[in-house]
Amino acid sequence: DTEVTQTPKHLVMGMTNKKSLKCEQHMGHRAMYWYKQKAKKPPELMFVYSYEKLSINESVPSRFSPECPNSSLLNLHLHALQPEDSALYLCASSQAPGVDGYTFGSGTRLTVV
Amino acid sequence: SQQGEEDPQALSIQEGENATMNCSYKTSINNLQWYRQNSGRGLVHLILIRSNEREKHSGRLRVTLDTSKKSSSLLITASRAADTASYFCATDAGGAGSYQLTFGKGTKLSVIP
Repeated sequence: DTEVTQTPKHLVMGMTNKKSLKCEQHMGHRAMYWYKQKAKKPPELMFVYSYEKLSINESVPSRFSPECPNSSLLNLHLHALQPEDSALYLCASSQAPGVDGYTFGSGTRLTVV
Repeated sequence: SQQGEEDPQALSIQEGENATMNCSYKTSINNLQWYRQNSGRGLVHLILIRSNEREKHSGRLRVTLDTSKKSSSLLITASRAADTASYFCATDAGGAGSYQLTFGKGTKLSVIP
């Protein structure tokens, strides 16, 4: 299995809702990432998990809460989002730095209404 | 924070022609990577070049790296309509064991059949 699977593919949520994005990989990668991408912009790093521990949080608002239950799964819990949080949320994984590139999932298109 | 800057922002060529995209960055890097993104989807890793390498090939792709000028180029030879996508350079500039990849603004390539 050489894929990163993200669910759901599309999500529409109200500003008072609580929802979760899910990401799964079975390549034995030890690093997993969440990126946010606005239209016509590059992906921006949100969080990095290394060996199931949060190693980087790029000053992301607390309404985004990451969780890594095990080495294959990564969640992003969403609560009280704003319309400007609407974006494509990308999950990625990598085996090790400087060895290979990242494997990205196809993303979750999030719309906050 | 943004590290790479691609040039040009948009490029339109005829099928069969070569396409060249450039990337400049600001700090020392461990490696530089190129990714392709089809409209609204996940990113696909194309090639990784380490800081001690000057040139790398993969199929129709040729990447060069000039660390003295802090720049890289991606050449796609004999382009096809299927090469139409956005191309991003990404730099790994962290310390040992870094898992942080920063993307440039991207070049939107259109290959006209």
